[in-house]
Amino acid sequence: SAVISQKPSRDICQRGTSLTIQCQVDSQVTMMFWYRQQPGQSLTLIATANQGSEATYESGFVIDKFPISRPNLTFSTLTVSNMSPEDSSIYLCSVEGVAETNTGELFFGEGSRLTVL
Amino acid sequence: GENVEQHPSTLSVQEGDSAVIKCTYSDSASNYFPWYKQELGKRPQLIIDIRSNVGEKKDQRIAVTLNKTAKHFSLHITETQPEDSAVYFCAAGLSSGGSYIPTFGRGTSLIVHP
Repeated sequence: SAVISQKPSRDICQRGTSLTIQCQVDSQVTMMFWYRQQPGQSLTLIATANQGSEATYESGFVIDKFPISRPNLTFSTLTVSNMSPEDSSIYLCSVEGVAETNTGELFFGEGSRLTVL
Repeated sequence: GENVEQHPSTLSVQEGDSAVIKCTYSDSASNYFPWYKQELGKRPQLIIDIRSNVGEKKDQRIAVTLNKTAKHFSLHITETQPEDSAVYFCAAGLSSGGSYIPTFGRGTSLIVHP
């Protein structure tokens, strides 16, 4: 299993500002994933973050809006830039199981609930 | 890419009844099908999964069935309890020894009335 600490747990932000979310994992992992979960909606993958290389973004998400850092194998940040009310959502950090044989199970952080006014 | 459809979006049952949630997927290459439970305000957590070489898997009150030909899989919860109330997400994707990046369904809100 993996224990993931994510912060902030929630924040209220003003339109036009940026906020950085941090994700810390208790073990080294190759890939870290950032998801968005809008109210009452499913989990949408924003990007995959590899250590030492640029993040891979899913369709509809761009680096200028959601820059990601991955400085080492246990840590990543996601920044939500120039926020608008449409960015109000829960942002979740996730990693795949770190067992010797990857099962495919995803472990999630507790999420960061952002409200943009 | 993979497309996952999940039904129903909301399911209301009486305690003790059974609940069934169904998902269909589009990519025949997908071989790993997990189910996640997300309680209100909590993180999603895996409750059961199935791989394409198995047709059914059971863990106490929950079971998952997979029909590869029809490309659908279902979650079955028997003897439901109020603590089963949560949002359930199915997912599908290809697990090939490298990393697994699933596509999630839209979720089913299960409400179990005492």
